[in-house]
Amino acid sequence: GQNIDQPTEMTATEGAIVQINCTYQTSGFNGLFWYQQHAGEAPTFLSYNVLDGLEEKGRFSSFLSRSKGYSYLLLKELQMKDSASYLCAVLDSNYQLIWGAGTKLIIKP
Amino acid sequence: DAMVIQNPRYQVTQFGKPVTLSCSQTLNHNVMYWYQQKSSQAPKLLFHYYDKDFNNEADTPDNFQSRRPNTSFCFLDIRSPGLGDAAMYLCATSRGGDSNQPQHFGDGTRLSIL
Repeated sequence: GQNIDQPTEMTATEGAIVQINCTYQTSGFNGLFWYQQHAGEAPTFLSYNVLDGLEEKGRFSSFLSRSKGYSYLLLKELQMKDSASYLCAVLDSNYQLIWGAGTKLIIKP
Repeated sequence: DAMVIQNPRYQVTQFGKPVTLSCSQTLNHNVMYWYQQKSSQAPKLLFHYYDKDFNNEADTPDNFQSRRPNTSFCFLDIRSPGLGDAAMYLCATSRGGDSNQPQHFGDGTRLSIL
């Protein structure tokens, strides 16, 4: 079966750095997405990785290792507004998006 | 701004009373998706349209139907809602099915069943 694993919940301090990990086992791979979802709101697109390595976009970076079936989302200079769930999703060989359950990130002052 | 719009944001219906959720888009994307998301769970794909071609997920209950009368609009009909259907319903669009284009989501409709 297809599976995406992420930690259920993480806590970090305002101004710090946090890394949210995602491991996947899917039938094929056509890229990995990270989405941010605030409570009661829709997911918003953060990043897309299809090649190995690090993609940096402001305070957020996303890393991919296809051989390890592993990705992480790195958030720097954390702000209170970064409190949200972060969902990892993989495009499989049929271009179907397989979603993780999300990691709830709690930022403390 | 180009966007995906869902109406209403909150919907309350009675057990067994049909309900329709709507979604419209100004992005001119050819793929539209309906997801069901329950608290702290991954979004669950119910079905999607690639242009007019309807694709139903194997485990989507028959209670759920969809219509896409034109490129811009898509509807989710729940014929006889049960208590287990209370959830957030998300509409999303993307440009092309076999592509790496991200999906763009509406704000969702939160459905409550009395």
